[in-house]
Amino acid sequence: DAKTTQPTSMDCAEGRAANLPCNHSTISGNEYVYWYRQIHSQGPQYIIHGLKNNETNEMASLIITEDRKSSTLILPHATLRDTAVYYCIVRVGMGGATNKLIFGTGTLLAVQP
Amino acid sequence: DTAVSQTPKYLVTQMGNDKSIKCEQNLGHDTMYWYKQDSKKFLKIMFSYNNKELIINETVPNRFSPKSPDKAHLNLHINSLELGDSAVYFCASSQDSAGSYEQYFGPGTRLTVT
Repeated sequence: DAKTTQPTSMDCAEGRAANLPCNHSTISGNEYVYWYRQIHSQGPQYIIHGLKNNETNEMASLIITEDRKSSTLILPHATLRDTAVYYCIVRVGMGGATNKLIFGTGTLLAVQP
Repeated sequence: DTAVSQTPKYLVTQMGNDKSIKCEQNLGHDTMYWYKQDSKKFLKIMFSYNNKELIINETVPNRFSPKSPDKAHLNLHINSLELGDSAVYFCASSQDSAGSYEQYFGPGTRLTVT
């Protein structure tokens, strides 16, 4: 699975959009970009994933660059409850081997009131 | 209803003891996992079972023995506990072992070995 690079920490004002970047310059053609988050003292929570196209669900949007070497997770209206460590994970999707998540150090997003 | 549950939530024990952590999922998933999060917050996979069959076994000491009595349960037994086993252990499940299925995590069990 390709390696990812994320900023260690970011701040965001409550109510504003939070844009979390992830660099995955060695991503392969069959690898997906996944985002999970871990709120303090809780288990990780799946947010969204994508291959090439931008994706949106009720939690967030995922923007993947055309060359797929980087992506941005967007929380459109951040709340205090979005304060968490956000993990960007790259792995083979459908048809891949075992479903093993390899977590990096992630980005600590602090939403400020 | 809790999707993935773990018991106990906290476990404090002495070195050398044997302990078990239980996990149950009510999502009807085929695959379950154990992850370990150490004091530096690194999350690492330990084991995975698919339909009661072991499919992932990362280089974990053989003092750790997972057991899956059925698809909905995956327990973790640890023998001869050591100080370095202190961590938060998370159970997770996914619909299947292959593909892009997201994983659902339990609330964690904080193990402290004194």
